[in-house]
Amino acid sequence: AQTVTQSQPEMSVQEAETVTLSCTYDTSESDYYLFWYKQPPSRQMILVIRQEAYKQQNATENRFSVNFQKAAKSFSLKISDSQLGDAAMYFCAYRFRAGGTSYGKLTFGQGTILTVHP
Amino acid sequence: DAGVIQSPRHEVTEMGQEVTLRCKPISGHDYLFWYRQTMMRGLELLIYFNNNVPIDDSGMPEDRFSAKMPNASFSTLKIQPSEPRDSAVYFCASSPSGGIGNTQYFGPGTRLTVL
Repeated sequence: AQTVTQSQPEMSVQEAETVTLSCTYDTSESDYYLFWYKQPPSRQMILVIRQEAYKQQNATENRFSVNFQKAAKSFSLKISDSQLGDAAMYFCAYRFRAGGTSYGKLTFGQGTILTVHP
Repeated sequence: DAGVIQSPRHEVTEMGQEVTLRCKPISGHDYLFWYRQTMMRGLELLIYFNNNVPIDDSGMPEDRFSAKMPNASFSTLKIQPSEPRDSAVYFCASSPSGGIGNTQYFGPGTRLTVL
């Protein structure tokens, strides 16, 4: 079974600084997707960034980027120029790329609470 | 696009009562998912549908839980009878069959409290 581990229950960063959130996963599959979701106090789950396992290039979305290390099964999220609005719980998630009409289950990590200090 | 719509946003009920949570997925999405989030267990997939058909309900905790999707624009999750341990935030998510990673888009959630 696939597992996703976020080893940092809490992280903090100063406004305008950079922070990296860690995520590791365990799978025997070679074709899959990885995601980072953000959950602010409003509880809404918001997609931050996604990565396809077959792509070597790390995904970037404005101030958010990932460091995808497939061999090490590591998928960290870097937030540059942190803003107060980045404060939230961040979840790493894995989904197997199933074939046909099957849909691989989305497995979430335990989450990391990010605090941004002004 | 209105996004995934869930109702109610908050529900407080007494043990033994029936609870019905509702979801309207994003138009055109083929997949619909129901998740439950608790402090102890994190985010758990309860059930998902493809083209209105339940595909995997292995995450449904017990027979007190049931889910239906009568058409492409509406789904319900029902708990009968409800128990205090069912207190959680319930999310509905939808996904297109194509696109990058078949990304799931989540609704705002329903916070259920069973007294």
